[in-house]
Amino acid sequence: GQNIDQPTEMTATEGAIVQINCTYQTSGFNGLFWYQQHAGEAPTFLSYNVLDGLEEKGRFSSFLSRSKGYSYLLLKELQMKDSASYLCAGMDSNYQLIWGAGTKLIIKP
Amino acid sequence: IAGITQAPTSQILAAGRRMTLRCTQDMRHNAMYWYRQDLGLGLRLIHYSNTAGTTGKGEVPDGYSVSRANTDDFPLTLASAVPSQTSVYFCASSDKAGAYNEQFFGPGTRLTVL
Repeated sequence: GQNIDQPTEMTATEGAIVQINCTYQTSGFNGLFWYQQHAGEAPTFLSYNVLDGLEEKGRFSSFLSRSKGYSYLLLKELQMKDSASYLCAGMDSNYQLIWGAGTKLIIKP
Repeated sequence: IAGITQAPTSQILAAGRRMTLRCTQDMRHNAMYWYRQDLGLGLRLIHYSNTAGTTGKGEVPDGYSVSRANTDDFPLTLASAVPSQTSVYFCASSDKAGAYNEQFFGPGTRLTVL
């Protein structure tokens, strides 16, 4: 079956670094997406990885290991506005996204 | 303003009633999607359309139908609503179906079926 696993909730301190892990199992693989979703709002795109390695985009970076079925999202210099849920999604062989339940990130001052 | 709009924002519906959730995008995207989001679960795909005139079933299509008469509109219909269809519904679109295509989401419709 297809499955995406990520922690339910994480807490971090403003200014710190946090890593949100995601393991995936999909029928075929066409990339791994990360989205951010603030409470009561729509998801918005953060990153896409299809090759192994690290993709850096400002304070956010995303890593992929295809052999391990593993990805992480790294958030640096945390700000209060980063408090949100972070959704991991794998794209299967039919180009459909399989979504994790999301990791709620709580930032404390 | 370019983007996706959904209507209504929220709705309380009696079980057994018919309801259509509206979705319109002005980005001329070929692909459109309907998801439901429930607490503790990931987004689940209900139906999708890779291009105008075509539709397909997602992971949880039962009780829902869609149509794609043109590029911009992708309505979702609940023929006879049941309480298990209480959820937040998101419409999304992407330039085309296929690998790496960022999906853009509408603001969502919060539906409660009593």
